[in-house]
Amino acid sequence: EIVMTQSPATLSVSPGERATLSCRASQSVSSNLAWYQQKPGQAPRLLIYGASTRATGIPARFSGSGSGTEFTLTISSLQSEDFAVYYCQQYNNWPQTFGQGTKLEIK
Amino acid sequence: QLQLQESGSGLVKPSQTLSLTCAVSGGSISSGGYSWSWIRQPPGKGLEWIGYIYHSGSTYYNPSLKSRVTISVDRSKNQFSLKLSSVTAADTAVYYCARGSKYGDLDYWGQGTLVTVSS
Repeated sequence: EIVMTQSPATLSVSPGERATLSCRASQSVSSNLAWYQQKPGQAPRLLIYGASTRATGIPARFSGSGSGTEFTLTISSLQSEDFAVYYCQQYNNWPQTFGQGTKLEIK
Repeated sequence: QLQLQESGSGLVKPSQTLSLTCAVSGGSISSGGYSWSWIRQPPGKGLEWIGYIYHSGSTYYNPSLKSRVTISVDRSKNQFSLKLSSVTAADTAVYYCARGSKYGDLDYWGQGTLVTVSS
């Protein structure tokens, strides 16, 4: 099973600033990586797939990069609605696995 | 717009079988290229993939749960189902159904349903 490790566990950022979230895979997952946003009491929402392609309706301030084992989600200018938990997920190997999440909180 | 809605028992006794259904609307579950997944999230914790079923009927289960899981599809009702046997308190979680895209990411999710295992 591929282990996905996200860092940091919690990230405190002020509105309007940039946030950078990391995800590392225990072995290569090529570009078969997605990012999800989850707010309290809600289901996860797909943000990025294929490591760098924004899902339908996702604002351009969200961007993904990386391949192989190292991936990054960048939010260029944080809005109030962006404070949430973010998960990465690999779908290159079965079972598909998620990272443990990064909580993005208001500084 | 595709929508998924979970339903089923919210309280299950230990050693019994958890049963949930996911009704799909706004699209056909028989559409080629997609998979239909179950994912769970224990309270305050992260996400765990349980398994999925392809439009063809092929199933894939997480090895950690494989001996207890069955996912099936009812095309006439446009829904798919999860059965998890011999449950314990560790199976208490919010259970989500979701559609897997042609790439493998999960592009549509149900709202989730809390299942508590308790006597």
